[in-house]
Amino acid sequence: GQQVMQIPQYQHVQEGEDFTTYCNSSTTLSNIQWYKQRPGGHPVFLIQLVKSGEVKKQKRLTFQFGEAKKNSSLHITATQTTDVGTYFCAGQTSGSRLTFGEGTQLTVNP
Amino acid sequence: NAGVTQTPKFRVLKTGQSMTLLCAQDMNHEYMYWYRQDPGMGLRLIHYSVGEGTTAKGEVPDGYNVSRLKKQNFLLGLESAAPSQTSVYFCASSFQGGAEAFFGQGTRLTVV
Repeated sequence: GQQVMQIPQYQHVQEGEDFTTYCNSSTTLSNIQWYKQRPGGHPVFLIQLVKSGEVKKQKRLTFQFGEAKKNSSLHITATQTTDVGTYFCAGQTSGSRLTFGEGTQLTVNP
Repeated sequence: NAGVTQTPKFRVLKTGQSMTLLCAQDMNHEYMYWYRQDPGMGLRLIHYSVGEGTTAKGEVPDGYNVSRLKKQNFLLGLESAAPSQTSVYFCASSFQGGAEAFFGQGTRLTVV
């Protein structure tokens, strides 16, 4: 079945440092979504990527979808304490349901 | 606008007891999902529904049953709870299969 793997599982950074999490699928995806879950909270949708090679930005967050549509990344520039949480990617193949990665837990030391 | 509401928020069960988790959405979404979240394992799909009266198995369906009698409600049942079912359960809904998913606040279930 479809597998979505995410690395790293944990990342500790100093405030102001950059952060990147990577998502890899065993199959070609029709789209990929990214979610953020604050500690004790629920996942909240951040963005969806659909096109091969697509790059989208939300303030300090940059999302990329690979040319082969099998991988994606989320990069945060100059992290802040408000970025703390777990970031999940979720991939979908045509006609199937979303499959979530294991998530990357980000902690930011002030 | 309430979005997705889950009840209860917390529950402690004894092994062998049964319970039902309720999920309600007010966004007229066709798709609804039940996930469980365990440390280091992300969100695993238990069951899902693509419309009123339909249900389907996800990755980890064993020990759970679901029903979608009304479009806005999706119930998750545990007939005989086991300690392995200790987890945080999230319900979600979406307009269609590949669309943004809206999550409820979660139910923290402990089985002792």
